[in-house]
Amino acid sequence: QVQLVQSGAEVKKPGSSVKVSCKASGDTFSSHAINWVRRAPGQGLEWMGRIIPMFGGATYPQRFRGRVTITADEVTSTAYMELSGLTSEDTAVYYCAGGGGPGYDFWSGRFDYWGQGTLVTVSS
Amino acid sequence: QSVLTQPPSVSGAPGQRVTFSCTGSSSNIGSNYDVHWYQHLAGTAPRLLIYGENTRPSGVPDRFSGSKSRASASLVITGLQPEDEGDYFCQTYDRSLNGLVFGGGTKLTVL
Repeated sequence: QVQLVQSGAEVKKPGSSVKVSCKASGDTFSSHAINWVRRAPGQGLEWMGRIIPMFGGATYPQRFRGRVTITADEVTSTAYMELSGLTSEDTAVYYCAGGGGPGYDFWSGRFDYWGQGTLVTVSS
Repeated sequence: QSVLTQPPSVSGAPGQRVTFSCTGSSSNIGSNYDVHWYQHLAGTAPRLLIYGENTRPSGVPDRFSGSKSRASASLVITGLQPEDEGDYFCQTYDRSLNGLVFGGGTKLTVL
């Protein structure tokens, strides 16, 4: 089973950027979809985008386009999510989540395994 | 406001059966995209419970089951246990938004 280990908690000022990393174990990193999902206090889960490392070229929902950048390094099996223009509404736990393998449906894109989460706090 | 509608809360006593609904539209569930369900317990990462309508990943008890009909999906938990208390989310693809979407989530309280 693939495991995802994320970087530690961050405290950021409004208007700044944050970059969270997600390192994968196992040999399926390149061919699986790596997604980023966040959960703000009192809110639900929110999908921020995904990348399939062997193909590159991340996909983002309209809401985050221009503010989120997802990248992946196949050499180190690490994915990254950078969010710019931070406001207090970006205070949340950020998760990376992967999916793939036999029977995986790219369109509906299920999240088979998750990182432990990274708390990002935006405060002046 | 999510394009997938879930009731904010459900509750049940230990041993009972509870049902979670997820109502979509012709641009998501109604277009026959797979629906997946996740459990999110306090202080932990979300966990995949059901995928492709009614398939359980290894390690998920058979107390959890799913179904889909037209533009809606449901998750059922039978034999409710105290450790099931938490939030439950449905997820699929929406072709109008051209991306993955979650329902707003339903909080389960075990009485």
